Amino acid sequence: EVQLVESGGGVVQPGGSLRLSCAASGFTFDDYAMHWVRQAPGKGLEWVSLISGDGGSTYYADSVKGRFTISRDNSKNSLYLQMNSLRTEDTALYYCAKGYCTNGVCLYYFDYWGQGTLVTVSS
Amino acid sequence: EIVLTQSPATLSLSPGERATLSCRASQSVSSYLAWYQQKPGQAPRLLIYDASNRATGIPARFSGSGSGTDFTLTISSLEPEDFAVYYCQQRSNWLALTFGGGTKVEIK
Repeated sequence: EVQLVESGGGVVQPGGSLRLSCAASGFTFDDYAMHWVRQAPGKGLEWVSLISGDGGSTYYADSVKGRFTISRDNSKNSLYLQMNSLRTEDTALYYCAKGYCTNGVCLYYFDYWGQGTLVTVSS
Repeated sequence: EIVLTQSPATLSLSPGERATLSCRASQSVSSYLAWYQQKPGQAPRLLIYDASNRATGIPARFSGSGSGTDFTLTISSLEPEDFAVYYCQQRSNWLALTFGGGTKVEIK
């Protein structure tokens, strides 16, 4: 059974930093791209970042580029999001999501999600 | 950035009725569009990928259609567990994946 468990959320002041983690199990972790997707309270979904299976390629939404860094440790089946220079608009539930592959082809959709970790940026 | 506009914002229907949800893209996304279902307090669930393909384990009452800029998610006969928020998502511009704003399907 695929499981994704996020941790590391909390309350932080504007300008502060947080590091989110996602522990993955139930699948061959380094075979899949992984994503972070966030959802502000009562709002819709926003894709944040993507990392390839081997960790060699990373991509970011414009809203977080230069402030957030995605990484992974395949030996630990773990995904990370380092968030610096946090803003009030970064307040959201942050989901770790597994990239979707079918018939040997990997697509930029998300087939498994964690339950999320809440980040609140407030003074 | 490709903007996805979903309509209506809220759909009020009764169990057993047919639901038709729309997603319009600001530019062509070919067939590279997915639909997700999200219930309160839960993570989203992938329903449909590449416009018309049901994901594993998704009931046949869910179907997707469309290409280019106009897409539809149809639920042929609403079950009580189908009342939720539905989002579309495009992968055509995979460097900037985007979601629609969502359609809430509520019980009338």
